[in-house]
Amino acid sequence: NAGVTQTPKFRILKIGQSMTLQCTQDMNHNYMYWYRQDPGMGLKLIYYSVGAGITDKGEVPNGYNVSRSTTEDFPLRLELAAPSQTSVYFCASSSAGVEGQPQHFGDGTRLSIL
Amino acid sequence: AQTVTQSQPEMSVQEAETVTLSCTYDTSESDYYLFWYKQPPSRQMILVIRQEAYKQQNATENRFSVNFQKAAKSFSLKISDSQLGDAAMYFCAYRSACSGNTPLVFGKGTRLSVIA
Repeated sequence: NAGVTQTPKFRILKIGQSMTLQCTQDMNHNYMYWYRQDPGMGLKLIYYSVGAGITDKGEVPNGYNVSRSTTEDFPLRLELAAPSQTSVYFCASSSAGVEGQPQHFGDGTRLSIL
Repeated sequence: AQTVTQSQPEMSVQEAETVTLSCTYDTSESDYYLFWYKQPPSRQMILVIRQEAYKQQNATENRFSVNFQKAAKSFSLKISDSQLGDAAMYFCAYRSACSGNTPLVFGKGTRLSVIA
């Protein structure tokens, strides 16, 4: 029962560095999402995907890129890390075709840009 | 665009007592879903309860229940017999039912403390 798995759990980056946050799910969910959670704030959607090969921007996509080559994996890439990207990042997934199904969340990745 | 507002940044409740967390939302849609998620210090997002807008009956899950007022666009969460393990951030969330599994829109959260 792995559910949604995010790696790494913690990371410190220097300004200008790049990295990829990994997300994988074993529930055969078509829909996957990336959120960020800033201190004292709710979650904001960065990107989402409705299936392999299909991605779309959310509310705060600038500075990020995603890809969805398989149903299971939905990596989030930061190309040029900036201090404003210091946040906790959550990946989530949900099934398609069943109305109102809740999203299953990973445990989050705490990212600090210094 | 839909918005979700949680007007109580922090709440506290005595153990075994009842507490109500407020949530209002703004939408022009008639069909949608509402959720309450719990986020303990471990940072996991745990689904607490779900409400379909087309259902008039308020959802309940054990000690958790909602007061869904569609006309007022209000969706409050009541926690009965509060336990120490209920201490967490609680997020209200909205999702449109217009097309497939659309993303969630979250409020800013309410931090609940439970006093022994």
